Amino acid sequence: QVQLRESGPGLVKPSQTLSLTCTVSGGSISSGTYYWSWIRQPAGKGLEWIGRIYPSGGTYYNPSLRSRLTISVDTSKNQFSLKLSSVTAADTAVYYCARDFSNNGLGYYFGMDVWGQGTTVTVSS
Amino acid sequence: DIVLTQSPGTLSLSPGERATLSCRASQSVSSRYLVWYQQKPGQSPRLLIYGASSRATGIPDRFSGSGSGTDFTLTISRLEPEDFAVYYCQQYGSSLTFGGGTKVEIK
Repeated sequence: QVQLRESGPGLVKPSQTLSLTCTVSGGSISSGTYYWSWIRQPAGKGLEWIGRIYPSGGTYYNPSLRSRLTISVDTSKNQFSLKLSSVTAADTAVYYCARDFSNNGLGYYFGMDVWGQGTTVTVSS
Repeated sequence: DIVLTQSPGTLSLSPGERATLSCRASQSVSSRYLVWYQQKPGQSPRLLIYGASSRATGIPDRFSGSGSGTDFTLTISRLEPEDFAVYYCQQYGSSLTFGGGTKVEIK
């Protein structure tokens, strides 16, 4: 059974870079046709998709975050990572990683079926 | 980007009642790209429905999805105590966006 776990600093200073890692266990990050996504949720608010990566190549970013965002994968460690630069208080949120499945050949999206527990990141000096 | 608007914001119902949640898109979305999630307080979202109407693994049949184009619906036929939660729709197509959520609370 695939499980995801987010890790990283819980406190980041304004203007610095937020860095998080998602470790995948119970399966290989590079097997199958899965994408791997990051999503965030400010306290008491809704979900915002941040971006996704396909280990064989391809990253896709939320246009509103693209200029500050880098998502990468380390298949040797079965991990994928998020870096968000120049953070402000508006980036304070619970950050989730999730397994994301779409079959572009068939033109079908199967959704995010496995989620991490989430990690809270606060941007404050 | 496609904006998803969910209504109502809050739905107050009693166990056993039927819940009907709406998700309206700012432009047409393929039904193959429309998904629903459930989120309980302090928990990660859980996938309920994909392809607008297909239940994910392990989801009870009291949950059903329907719709096409710009109007989609999640129906819970008879609310169980564990169904009181927030529900989100999400589209994949023009980027990837979530609706603002509908909270189903106990009346």
